[in-house]
Amino acid sequence: DQQVKQNSPSLSVQEGRISILNCDYTNSMFDYFLWYKKYPAEGPTFLISISSIKDKNEDGRFTVFLNKSAKHLSLHIVPSQPGDSAVYFCAASGSSNTGKLIFGQGTTLQVKP
Amino acid sequence: NAGVMQNPRHLVRRRGQEARLRCSPMKGHSHVYWYRQLPEEGLKFMVYLQKENIIDESGMPKERFSAEFPKEGPSILRIQQVVRGDSAAYFCASSPGEAISYEQYFGPGTRLTVT
Repeated sequence: DQQVKQNSPSLSVQEGRISILNCDYTNSMFDYFLWYKKYPAEGPTFLISISSIKDKNEDGRFTVFLNKSAKHLSLHIVPSQPGDSAVYFCAASGSSNTGKLIFGQGTTLQVKP
Repeated sequence: NAGVMQNPRHLVRRRGQEARLRCSPMKGHSHVYWYRQLPEEGLKFMVYLQKENIIDESGMPKERFSAEFPKEGPSILRIQQVVRGDSAAYFCASSPGEAISYEQYFGPGTRLTVT
């Protein structure tokens, strides 16, 4: 069963515009959420995270929003840059989960110059 | 650069052979996680280890796969009698083990190809 879902396999945006990547989860025991960025032939790189006690966390051009009632989170990148083109993975974990991360399938973001 | 190190980066094995994948965590990190990524899929948790202990192996296949994290040296993921379906990218991640956050830092991965 897919506990973390990224329903959009791909997204294309113009440089300078906003990129919005979405993620849904089903397990209400998750209390920590993370976004990772991955380039081909490399390991995932941590981007930003959010605890379930918050609804927003911001770090530079990256902002993550959490809607617990909808079991939905999103990553906003603004302004988008060509170097942001990569696969983005949403991941979730919980205190009852031994810290292991449950990943979504990923969304491939292409930022066009 | 004291990041997570994995070797080899690429490994080719014939069906029936053994594969050994190594992971050295970041300096100061005592917790190691292994994940597998099949083509066109997300990463799937396999096993979580601390030094000399397996904490959670709920994602490990029941047969042929084993993992260890000895007191000295890297963590090892061992796959015996490999089959074509084992072809995947295997990623190791480490964390400091502090209960403050769940951020894990990933290595570059080992790409296993079974011929």
